Amino acid sequence: DAKTTQPTSMDCAEGRAANLPCNHSTISGNEYVYWYRQIHSQGPQYIIHGLKNNETNEMASLIITEDRKSSTLILPHATLRDTAVYYCIVRAAGGGADGLTFGKGTHLIIQP
Amino acid sequence: DAGVTQSPTHLIKTRGQQVTLRCSPKSGHDTVSWYQQALGQGPQFIFQYYEEEERQRGNFPDRFSGHQFPNYSSELNVNALLLGDSALYLCASSYTGGNTIYFGEGSWLTVV
Repeated sequence: DAKTTQPTSMDCAEGRAANLPCNHSTISGNEYVYWYRQIHSQGPQYIIHGLKNNETNEMASLIITEDRKSSTLILPHATLRDTAVYYCIVRAAGGGADGLTFGKGTHLIIQP
Repeated sequence: DAGVTQSPTHLIKTRGQQVTLRCSPKSGHDTVSWYQQALGQGPQFIFQYYEEEERQRGNFPDRFSGHQFPNYSSELNVNALLLGDSALYLCASSYTGGNTIYFGEGSWLTVV
């Protein structure tokens, strides 16, 4: 079972910031938070990951609470092409042999 | 730099037949994992290959088998196909001990 909880769906206006929450209250000290997204009929696309510090890259920012029990993925200026299912996943550092455990994700719909 | 590539992109098989799907990992990656994604569901981990051996397996029957070659490419074989095997099959690659996993675009299998 997935160790994360996400809202089923969210809407956001084009050009605004999209903030996607994720709860991971049972996260362990060596587990990272990963975000992937999947546009219809395509493979999952890696977005960002972090351990405890906030992270930013060209796609998004990841804000992790101090107790690490929740996080927020921020798409700063959403476009129609950001409409996708977004998955929040926790995974041990280095990963080992374990695969990623996907939950149901959040279906983000960007409205024109 | 080519990402993860998979073939074929689409195929149709008959119940009871066997299928082989192929994957080339991202350059520099030595670990390959396979996932099954049924319509409307998140990807489910099938197994992972490293150094030409299966390291970890998810909850899938022995009809699902794989192979990894010395150049790190991989094959997924499914025997005695069932209608329920119809799904998107995703290959993912990573560098062992690394923190980021990248996915291919998948192979759509339809069993009729």
